[in-house]
Amino acid sequence: NAGVMQNPRHLVRRRGQEARLRCSPMKGHSHVYWYRQLPEEGLKFMVYLQKENIIDESGMPKERFSAEFPKEGPSILRIQQVVRGDSAAYFCASSPPGLAHNEQFFGPGTRLTVL
Amino acid sequence: AQSVAQPEDQVNVAEGNPLTVKCTYSVSGNPYLFWYVQYPNRGLQFLLKYITGDNLVKGSYGFEAEFNKSQTSFHLKKPSALVSDSALYFCAVRDGNSGYALNFGKGTSLLVTP
Repeated sequence: NAGVMQNPRHLVRRRGQEARLRCSPMKGHSHVYWYRQLPEEGLKFMVYLQKENIIDESGMPKERFSAEFPKEGPSILRIQQVVRGDSAAYFCASSPPGLAHNEQFFGPGTRLTVL
Repeated sequence: AQSVAQPEDQVNVAEGNPLTVKCTYSVSGNPYLFWYVQYPNRGLQFLLKYITGDNLVKGSYGFEAEFNKSQTSFHLKKPSALVSDSALYFCAVRDGNSGYALNFGKGTSLLVTP
């Protein structure tokens, strides 16, 4: 059973460009979470999605950031007009439907560098 | 509001000695507590969780954690450390009464020396 897949693993963008990060959850998992890890810090929650629905986006910056989890295909975290402060590791996690205390399984992350 | 504190940035232990990585938490509802480990340039791997029941929780790779409600702590322990245990350890909490997001501590770097 493949784990959570994320691509690309490394992404370099220049200021003002767009970054698209993809996440394929584990088989059978319908809940997806995005977290951001800044250097020397823990992970910060960004958004929680189920298929075709954003459930909780309380951790998402109000501008330039958006996320989706379509009926078919991976979840996408999109950052428009990137700035240097967006440089971080972005982790996706997934969990199966049902119990709120299910652990989340993490992907290897996408390391975004903004030049 | 919920929060997690890991008071030690780094813990150094000699191989074969017991190790403890500390974690305290604050939630308004029932706490769901988790420990994850992160190796360099890798994602987080789940170690163990506390939901309810016995205060001592056993997890992967010989790790265990003790839930202490009065001290609001969930310290990670292992009786005999291995060099391969050297990694970054994160404690996380979720409020069982609301929300699905995990709130992580800043992490503790564990270094086990031969």
